[in-house]
Amino acid sequence: AQSVTQLGSHVSVSEGALVLLRCNYSSSVPPYLFWYVQYPNQGLQLLLKYTSAATLVKGINGFEAEFKKSETSFHLTKPSAHMSDAAEYFCAVSPPIGTGNQFYFGTGTSLTVIP
Amino acid sequence: NAGVTQTPKFQVLKTGQSMTLQCAQDMNHEYMSWYRQDPGMGLRLIHYSVGAGITDQGEVPNGYNVSRSTTEDFPLRLLSAAPSQTSVYFCASRSTGTGFYEQYFGPGTRLTVT
Repeated sequence: AQSVTQLGSHVSVSEGALVLLRCNYSSSVPPYLFWYVQYPNQGLQLLLKYTSAATLVKGINGFEAEFKKSETSFHLTKPSAHMSDAAEYFCAVSPPIGTGNQFYFGTGTSLTVIP
Repeated sequence: NAGVTQTPKFQVLKTGQSMTLQCAQDMNHEYMSWYRQDPGMGLRLIHYSVGAGITDQGEVPNGYNVSRSTTEDFPLRLLSAAPSQTSVYFCASRSTGTGFYEQYFGPGTRLTVT
């Protein structure tokens, strides 16, 4: 079975500071991994995804995430926070091809950027 | 492409009323799903479908029905609304072909049951 844990339901950073949002997964085989962003009163938008091609994945808006199999982690980072980054962020896991179709989402991390 | 569309955007129901939330996608995706989003609980899967005529239950299916008569449409029916069904509902779709399959989300329906 797959599961995702996001540590920290609320994270606050100062504008210009490093953003680090944590995600750990539980899976018997390396799954596909995703980060989604949700701006207020909107749907979810894909930030980036891990497809096993490269462990460091770059996404939109300057975000990136690194897949670490040994730590079963896929943490999201951005070197310098911007006010427009304030949003809810969700980590999700999908099993490898042929083993199921469902996505499993974490409970989300709300990012606040302090001017 | 319009992507994933949902109607209505907002809805208020009285306890016991029924209604259908509409979802359509124009990407020819086989897989479609419905989630509800509640504060502190992330997204929880209600029902999903892997193709026309095939549906299955997710994590929280009670009180909801679905059907999939076409590839494009995947409506969600609330049989007898309850205050516990007050939530934001998202429809999503994705391909199940080879390669990589992210989900595409609709803008959501905000439902209040009084």
